Amino acid sequence: DSGVTQTPKHLITATGQRVTLRCSPRSGDLSVYWYQQSLDQGLQFLIQYYNGEERAKGNILERFSAQQFPDLHSELNLSSLELGDSALYFCASSVAVGANTEAFFGQGTRLTVV
Amino acid sequence: AQSVSQHNHHVILSEAASLELGCNYSYGGTVNLFWYVQYPGQHLQLLLKYFSGDPLVKGIKGFEAEFIKSKFSFNLRKPSVQWSDTAEYFCAAYPYNQGGKLIFGQGTELSVKP
Repeated sequence: DSGVTQTPKHLITATGQRVTLRCSPRSGDLSVYWYQQSLDQGLQFLIQYYNGEERAKGNILERFSAQQFPDLHSELNLSSLELGDSALYFCASSVAVGANTEAFFGQGTRLTVV
Repeated sequence: AQSVSQHNHHVILSEAASLELGCNYSYGGTVNLFWYVQYPGQHLQLLLKYFSGDPLVKGIKGFEAEFIKSKFSFNLRKPSVQWSDTAEYFCAAYPYNQGGKLIFGQGTELSVKP
């Protein structure tokens, strides 16, 4: 158990809908990362937050947004869902930012868009 | 584009065979390197990491990796694999001055036959 909790584990929804994925970081970790894992794209970095502020952005679509709350949990919002958004979404957390920090990953949320 | 490349998509070995998984990165500056493992149905776990110093790093479960700066490589090795090593292996790079992005390779699926 990495200490990073993601809910829900599985989500099935229809095209055009909106979903929210939730991540609780390890106790004491201030930084949260979101990744999308799909068969054709591999593990793609989406976005990173540190202590409530956005720190880095990757290949995140405009239909997707995220935030980190004062209690440090984070939510990834996916809207106007398309079939191609079906993927495993991972959250990771680390104590700080910077290249010398180790990221711990959650179990992921498997999103299926039908 | 700056990236991390894993050359082997799927590797099949028999137990006790030696393993080497290739990883190359394309960042010119200082970069920290990681290998993560994802067992079936589980989250990514850190196997080992290289930040600086001895380019031969040892990780958990008998894995090691060698950082060769001139070749931009960070290959993962294990002298004798076990059936329990069956998993997907991801190489990742954290380039300095890249704004907090841990970039992953496409992953290599390792199947070990008993």
